[in-house]
Amino acid sequence: KNQVEQSPQSLIILEGKNCTLQCNYTVSPFSNLRWYKQDTGRGPVSLTIMTFSENTKSNGRYTATLDADTKQSSLHITASQLSDSASYICVVSHSGGSNYKLTFGKGTLLTVNP
Amino acid sequence: NAGVTQTPKFQVLKTGQSMTLQCAQDMNHEYMSWYRQDPGMGLRLIHYSVGAGITDQGEVPNGYNVSRSTTEDFPLRLLSAAPSQTSVYFCASSFGGNTIYFGEGSWLTVV
Repeated sequence: KNQVEQSPQSLIILEGKNCTLQCNYTVSPFSNLRWYKQDTGRGPVSLTIMTFSENTKSNGRYTATLDADTKQSSLHITASQLSDSASYICVVSHSGGSNYKLTFGKGTLLTVNP
Repeated sequence: NAGVTQTPKFQVLKTGQSMTLQCAQDMNHEYMSWYRQDPGMGLRLIHYSVGAGITDQGEVPNGYNVSRSTTEDFPLRLLSAAPSQTSVYFCASSFGGNTIYFGEGSWLTVV
């Protein structure tokens, strides 16, 4: 069964600190892995997309890593800001990368406090 | 460029009523889809379309109908609303296997 597990479920950090969110998946065949940011009451917004051959991808203060051998990904947020408070969702695409073969994680709820 | 537009934002229905959630995109994307998001669960695919005139079922299609008469529009119909359909609904669009763009969501409560 295709699954995406994210940890921790929730995280509270102080503004300016760094943090790392984890994503483990058991999806086959793997095509790509995506990270989304979802602000409260809004739709998810894409942060990164990584294919099998990509180990790292950055988007500003967000850096995603992928280890396809261990089927793990992480999202590192540097110098956190209050606006980083959101749910971060890991999504794995399988079966040729088509956008209807996706497995979504439940998300990590990040709270950045001043 | 409006992206993906969903209406209404909020809706309260009585059990047994019908309604349509509207979704439109202005990016000429071939692929459109509907998801529902429930507390403690990841987004789940309801229906999707890979082009005008083509639709297919996702993971949780029961109780919902869709149609795709144009590239831009992909409405989701609830024929006879049930309390189990209380959820947040997201429409999404994309081109190929690229970035998926989500709408802002529609909050539906069935009483």
